[in-house]
Amino acid sequence: AQSVTQLDSQVPVFEEAPVELRCNYSSSVSVYLFWYVQYPNQGLQLLLKYLSGSTLVKGINGFEAEFNKSQTSFHLRKPSVHISDTAEYFCAVSDSSGGSYIPTFGRGTSLIVHP
Amino acid sequence: SQTIHQWPATLVQPVGSPLSLECTVEGTSNPNLYWYRQAAGRGLQLLFYSVGIGQISSEVPQNLSASRPQDRQFILSSKKLLLSDSGFYLCAWSTPDSQGGEKLFFGSGTQLSVL
Repeated sequence: AQSVTQLDSQVPVFEEAPVELRCNYSSSVSVYLFWYVQYPNQGLQLLLKYLSGSTLVKGINGFEAEFNKSQTSFHLRKPSVHISDTAEYFCAVSDSSGGSYIPTFGRGTSLIVHP
Repeated sequence: SQTIHQWPATLVQPVGSPLSLECTVEGTSNPNLYWYRQAAGRGLQLLFYSVGIGQISSEVPQNLSASRPQDRQFILSSKKLLLSDSGFYLCAWSTPDSQGGEKLFFGSGTQLSVL
């Protein structure tokens, strides 16, 4: 079975500072990894995904994430955040262990960007 | 292009009343469909998913049910709401990703308050 742990429930940061949102997963087979962003009272939209190939994945809005198989991590980073990045961020993992690729989501990390 | 419609956006219902949330997808055929619930600080919980008309898989035993009367319509229902049914409900659809796994697309959500 797959699982996802987002280590921080809330991350406050000042505008233009760098940020890292942490995500660790567990799975017994090869995985696909995702980060989604949710703005207030909206659905989720895909930021980036790792399916195969390069372990450094670049997404929308200047975000990137690095897949580290040995540490079973997929941390999300941005070198300089904006006020508009304030949102809930969800890490998700998907594998074929259950016979389908339905993703399992973490509990989310609330990114709060202060001016 | 594909779009997903979910309504209503907000709903306030008394305990013991029935519930019907509807989700429709346009621009694709035979999508996998999902209902998730998001409770504060608890991430996304998969409630139901469907791979075809009349085919519903329940992930969590509870007071809710789902139906798929048409290929692109997914309905979440309850005969008698409980206080614990309050939360943000998200409908989603997915299609296979050419590089592996599934691509998931979310609706804008329904905020349900049971009083």
